[in-house]
Amino acid sequence: GAGVSQTPSNKVTEKGKYVELRCDPISGHTALYWYRQSLGQGPEFLIYFQGTGAADDSGLPNDRFFAVRPEGSVSTLKIQRTERGDSAVYLCASSLGLGSGELFFGEGSRLTVL
Amino acid sequence: GESVGLHLPTLSVQEGDNSIINCAYSNSASDYFIWYKQESGKGPQFIIDIRSNMDKRQGQRVTVLLNKTVKHLSLQIAATQPGDSAVYFCAENSGGSNYKLTFGKGTLLTVNP
Repeated sequence: GAGVSQTPSNKVTEKGKYVELRCDPISGHTALYWYRQSLGQGPEFLIYFQGTGAADDSGLPNDRFFAVRPEGSVSTLKIQRTERGDSAVYLCASSLGLGSGELFFGEGSRLTVL
Repeated sequence: GESVGLHLPTLSVQEGDNSIINCAYSNSASDYFIWYKQESGKGPQFIIDIRSNMDKRQGQRVTVLLNKTVKHLSLQIAATQPGDSAVYFCAENSGGSNYKLTFGKGTLLTVNP
């Protein structure tokens, strides 16, 4: 596709449920990032992939959060035992590599935990 | 400047005026800075970047100024248009790498026709 695609665009779930958020990066982009944005705040770094491996997952808030990118393209962010505090917009971005901070962001997946 | 809770700093300008959006960054070790624009319901969009060995960089209708002495960054938009209305974020690579960006809280720019 022309840009980064994220699905679902909106997800409403109940506390304690499991959620998966999908990101389809720009074709040919080797680097993929997940950020989280709470209302009225800037995005916060979660995890970065270079190819298939998670090069830096230091932003994941706890072990309920996990992300994979098994074939070096599509990535899935997985959240177990969701909590109300997990409610936010989860942004995925991709880039050609580490040459610049020009990240291409998707429109995000808005997660609401009731 | 800083915001509290949901209250973003705001800037309201008339169409055709020049806009200046300011940002104070936190980490004196940061050496790479980027401005992003975010329209309602969309992801952030890259505008311009600058490395710490420069103090000014120009793009199309935009200029970024960096003052490392006071840890201040500004974005100047010339001849502001209604389509420039958005939230603007500055970001720094405080983690020491280009991928781990620390974003500020943003400034809401409203352009009045």
